[in-house]
Amino acid sequence: GENVEQHPSTLSVQEGDSAVIKCTYSDSASNYFPWYKQELGKRPQLIIDIRSNVGEKKDQRIAVTLNKTAKHFSLHITETQPEDSAVYFCAPGGGADGLTFGKGTHLIIQP
Amino acid sequence: DADVTQTPRNRITKTGKRIMLECSQTKGHDRMYWYRQDPGLGLRLIYYSFDVKDINKGEISDGYSVSRQAQAKFSLSLESAIPNQTALYFCAATRGHGDTQYFGPGTRLTVL
Repeated sequence: GENVEQHPSTLSVQEGDSAVIKCTYSDSASNYFPWYKQELGKRPQLIIDIRSNVGEKKDQRIAVTLNKTAKHFSLHITETQPEDSAVYFCAPGGGADGLTFGKGTHLIIQP
Repeated sequence: DADVTQTPRNRITKTGKRIMLECSQTKGHDRMYWYRQDPGLGLRLIYYSFDVKDINKGEISDGYSVSRQAQAKFSLSLESAIPNQTALYFCAATRGHGDTQYFGPGTRLTVL
């Protein structure tokens, strides 16, 4: 099965600064690399994803970069805002068993 | 996402009781999943189903069973609940490999 590690487990940044969360995985067959955001008391929701034939994808203030050789992908959030405070999960997969979720990163935006 | 619903939203029960959590989706997706969320442990897969006749165990299936009554319905049962099954349970639905998983609102289960 897929082994997923996500770092850091907690990240505190000043409002307006950038945040980067890294996810490493073990299964070289993984071909789908999403990031989910879970606000307090809410369900996880997809915020951005990338497929293995693409190295980088950007959507306004968020971006995901993929290094398949090194088996890691990262979430980048620029110009952080208070509403970015949440727990973020990576979930590599795309094979028969679906997705394997990381343990999550608690992002705290300091005013 | 209102397309995936879960009932009940909260449940308190006692050790040894049988509990059923229900999930329904109107997205028409074939694949459905049950996850358990505990603080600091992320989302762990309990069971998943690719269609009505297909049920698969996930990472932590012991103590749980499931039933896929229809494409739109996937139920999770705890045959004899124990306190360490206290957690937040999420159902999800997706179209297929490498597609967005749409989560239900979650069921908070407390076993006393």
